[in-house]
Amino acid sequence: EAGVAQSPRYKIIEKRQSVAFWCNPISGHATLYWYQQILGQGPKLLIQFQNNGVVDDSQLPKDRFSAERLKGVDSTLKIQPAKLEDSAVYLCASSFGGRDTQYFGPGTRLTVL
Amino acid sequence: EDQVTQSPEALRLQEGESSSLNCSYTVSGLRGLFWYRQDPGKGPEFLFTLYSAGEEKEKERLKATLTKKESFLHITAPKPEDSATYLCAVQAVGYGGSQGNLIFGKGTKLSVKP
Repeated sequence: EAGVAQSPRYKIIEKRQSVAFWCNPISGHATLYWYQQILGQGPKLLIQFQNNGVVDDSQLPKDRFSAERLKGVDSTLKIQPAKLEDSAVYLCASSFGGRDTQYFGPGTRLTVL
Repeated sequence: EDQVTQSPEALRLQEGESSSLNCSYTVSGLRGLFWYRQDPGKGPEFLFTLYSAGEEKEKERLKATLTKKESFLHITAPKPEDSATYLCAVQAVGYGGSQGNLIFGKGTKLSVKP
């Protein structure tokens, strides 16, 4: 069974530029999550989707971050404009349902200069 | 506020030297406690889920246990390939949007020397 796919794996941008990350969850998983992991910290939830609807985006900095999951499968997370403090690994995870085990992708390492 | 604290932050063991990692938590109502392993440059890999005090789960050299306030990950006779960061996360009994949220600790970085 294929796991969670993410791209790109690495991205380096200048501050104030924009960037987008893509995630393809495990087939059949209705719930999709985006997490931010800063070096030396555990992952922190940014947004949770159930199919194509947002369930929880209370920790998403909405002035610069946006995410969508238009057809209930793939998802895109965007940052515009990026700040230095956005340097982190962005992890996508999926689960069958909202309370089930979450499986993570390899992550995208973002460096903002 | 729901919170997870892991200790120690880092642990160095000799191959074959057994030890335990601690995860203490404060949560309004625990639905599940999760252990993940994370290798450098990779996403967290699922290990165990524990749901109630007294529950134990085992996988190869790892055994996870749960009490009402903490969980332990016991590593028996570790090998160098067990070197990784071990993350603990709690999922609270919630309603509406917060049901699936995992609250992670900072992790314990384990190094096993041959």
